[in-house]
Amino acid sequence: DAKTTQPTSMDCAEGRAANLPCNHSTISGNEYVYWYRQIHSQGPQYIIHGLKNNETNEMASLIITEDRKSSTLILPHATLRDTAVYYCIVRVTGLNTGNQFYFGTGTSLTVIP
Amino acid sequence: DAGVTQSPTHLIKTRGQHVTLRCSPISGHKSVSWYQQVLGQGPQFIFQYYEKEERGRGNFPDRFSARQFPNYSSELNVNALLLGDSALYLCASSLRGSTDTQYFGPGTRLTVL
Repeated sequence: DAKTTQPTSMDCAEGRAANLPCNHSTISGNEYVYWYRQIHSQGPQYIIHGLKNNETNEMASLIITEDRKSSTLILPHATLRDTAVYYCIVRVTGLNTGNQFYFGTGTSLTVIP
Repeated sequence: DAGVTQSPTHLIKTRGQHVTLRCSPISGHKSVSWYQQVLGQGPQFIFQYYEKEERGRGNFPDRFSARQFPNYSSELNVNALLLGDSALYLCASSLRGSTDTQYFGPGTRLTVL
């Protein structure tokens, strides 16, 4: 079953903020939201994660709605090197399932010069 | 600091053969997870190991197996290879098994002919 829904692709002008939305309407109370990105066939790179509060680090900001059913990843000043596939992931931990990351198909972000 | 390392980088096998992929986690990390990423899709969870024990298994056939060694490195084995096993195999390590961020290696590209 789908855990997250993201737009297939987005464009962003270089230097502008990139806002990547994610819907996780079936998220439960103990499930974290993670964001990773993957640049052409490399391993996914960790960006940020959160449970219910907004988070910010040196790479990005994560805004989670109060009902936790959706979130937005914000890259404040997109550069050409930010062109990648961005995955919004719900982490599920269970006795028999371990610590699984459910990846969807992600959003392909293209930063345009 | 060295990140997650995987070997080999690329591998070509024929149908029916078996393959062993290797992963070394980040120093101090005790958990390793394996993912399969078929072209055009997001990574799919295969296994998680923590302290040498299997802690989670995804929806993969018994042809897939793994183990974790006392030094926390891990092997993924796939028997009776099928064409559909062609994929990027990703290893991720985390500090512990259940609640920590996973950091991914560069992956092993397996091609089955």
